Amino acid sequence: GAGVSQSPSNKVTEKGKDVELRCDPISGHTALYWYRQSLGQGLEFLIYFQGNSAPDKSGLPSDRFSAERTGGSVSTLTIQRTQQEDSAVYLCASSLGGYGNTIYFGEGSWLTVV
Amino acid sequence: SQQGEEDPQALSIQEGENATMNCSYKTSINNLQWYRQNSGRGLVHLILIRSNEREKHSGRLRVTLDTSKKSSSLLITASRAADTASYFCATAPGTDKLIFGTGTRLQVFP
Repeated sequence: GAGVSQSPSNKVTEKGKDVELRCDPISGHTALYWYRQSLGQGLEFLIYFQGNSAPDKSGLPSDRFSAERTGGSVSTLTIQRTQQEDSAVYLCASSLGGYGNTIYFGEGSWLTVV
Repeated sequence: SQQGEEDPQALSIQEGENATMNCSYKTSINNLQWYRQNSGRGLVHLILIRSNEREKHSGRLRVTLDTSKKSSSLLITASRAADTASYFCATAPGTDKLIFGTGTRLQVFP
């Protein structure tokens, strides 16, 4: 597609349920990022995929969070047993990889845990 | 963890005035980028400055970089109401993984 596509754009879930957020990066982009942004706050790095390398998971806040990237393209961020503090916008971005490359963001998935 | 911190956290100015935002970072970098975010959604890339550059211009934007002080500034000249947004700096500390700062919320009043 022309840009980074994320789905769903909005998700309301009950505390304790699992959620999956999907990201479809720009075709040909080898690098894919997930960030989290709470209301009025900065971007918190979650995870980074680059080509066939092992993902950098150093930003995942707990073992309830996981992400995979299938076939070097689409990525899914999974949050298990959601908590209210997980409520945030989850932003996905992709780039050609390497230093100095611009990263392109999707419009985000707004997650509300009630 | 945050690599960069922007200052001020919020800035309000009148149209036509200049807006200056500062970013400080912690580790050595290859480049520093500035992004803009409208309405809490996706960010848009504005400008990139490499570690061997001291100043860069793009339209009404001017970015400076002082690697000795580990700081950068973004100047928006002759601001417009449409410049109202949050602005973030981002760095790649040692890898090409981008880490964002805390952001400056800019409000430009007509």
